[in-house]
Amino acid sequence: SAVISQKPSRDICQRGTSLTIQCQVDSQVTMMFWYRQQPGQSLTLIATANQGSEATYESGFVIDKFPISRPNLTFSTLTVSNMSPEDSSIYLCSVVEGGAFFGQGTRLTVV
Amino acid sequence: GDSVTQMEGPVTLSEEAFLTINCTYTATGYPSLFWYVQYPGEGLQLLLKATKADDKGSNKGFEATYRKETTSFHLEKGSVQVSDSAVYFCALSWAGGFKTIFGAGTRLFVKA
Repeated sequence: SAVISQKPSRDICQRGTSLTIQCQVDSQVTMMFWYRQQPGQSLTLIATANQGSEATYESGFVIDKFPISRPNLTFSTLTVSNMSPEDSSIYLCSVVEGGAFFGQGTRLTVV
Repeated sequence: GDSVTQMEGPVTLSEEAFLTINCTYTATGYPSLFWYVQYPGEGLQLLLKATKADDKGSNKGFEATYRKETTSFHLEKGSVQVSDSAVYFCALSWAGGFKTIFGAGTRLFVKA
């Protein structure tokens, strides 16, 4: 199964600033997925990142707020831009290899 | 649309009790079905899976059977331990690496 390293593991940020989350996979994968998990909630898919093309965003999520990079087949970043307290969540990256595998997540608190 | 519905929690059990967490799904085609577990402060871990009808997934004493006729994938364990306290998510996805659809999660508390 894929091993996914995600960082930072947690951060506390000021409103109006941006945070970039990095996700590294130990094997080459076509698609990487970014999820948000709000406190006490299930996972909501933000976008799907394919190498060499723009990410595909789910309804309610836009590129200006959550820009994604996918420079190669093992790495992706998600930026949470112009943050507000409502962005406080756990952000998880994922790949699918016979099932979804997740990084440990980034616990973001916006103050 | 495609969706996963699981029983609301929290579920509170005494150690060694029998556990059932219900999960039903609505999906086009023939998805694979999964149970994930999230321990406090951690990410999600794949607990077990089944890829076709009548398959039984099992791991760490947990098991679930893919029932196409009832579109269900209920999680069971014969004797829970305090260390099983976590949030359990039922999910589905399709072959080819497409996105995964998650249920709302069920929190389990096991008391000694």
